Amino acid sequence: DIQMTQSPSSLPASVGDRVTITCRASQSISSYLNWYQQKPGKAPNLLINAASTLQSGVPSRFSGSGSGTDFTLTISSLQPEDFATYYCQQSYSSRHTFGGGTTVEIK
Amino acid sequence: EVQLVQSGAEVKKPGESLKISCKGSGYSFTSYWIGWVRQMPGKGLEWMGIIFPGDSATTYSPSFQGQVTMSADKSISTAYLQWSSLKASDTAMYYCARQDHDSSGYYPYWGQGTLVTVSS
Repeated sequence: DIQMTQSPSSLPASVGDRVTITCRASQSISSYLNWYQQKPGKAPNLLINAASTLQSGVPSRFSGSGSGTDFTLTISSLQPEDFATYYCQQSYSSRHTFGGGTTVEIK
Repeated sequence: EVQLVQSGAEVKKPGESLKISCKGSGYSFTSYWIGWVRQMPGKGLEWMGIIFPGDSATTYSPSFQGQVTMSADKSISTAYLQWSSLKASDTAMYYCARQDHDSSGYYPYWGQGTLVTVSS
């Protein structure tokens, strides 16, 4: 199976900060990389698919980039509602896998 | 509006069987893959597998192959996840999620989750 590794696992940040989360695949997955946000007690919410396509309704401060094995999720100016856990997920293989998650927490 | 409504929380004993459900509405149930995702307490998301309700084709994660069974009943637009013999380590929140278009691989639609607690 394709392994997905996220870093960091925890990211202390302040409102207004530019935040970058990294996701690395164990093999090339082209652009078959998706990002989700999850808040406590809630189901995950799809933010970005195909590495860089923002879902409808997702604020433009979120952006994704990368291809092959290395990907990033960037929040250009962190807002209070953005404190949450973020997961990457590959859909290159028929057996999809998630990264371990990155929790963006208040510094 | 696409909706996935999951069955309620369950409390079971080790060794018992269980089947939880995920009812889809607002779309053609037989045309989209549905995935199942486990989240153990305080942990991350784990992809368990997917089922295509149109023909009940399935793909399982190696970690869950043989441990659970996915099925679907087209007549009532419901997908299922079942265990024949639960273990304490099956205690988790389980989410169903629907893929976007055919084989898109990403999940814009999620159920609310079913909490399964296995304890003696």
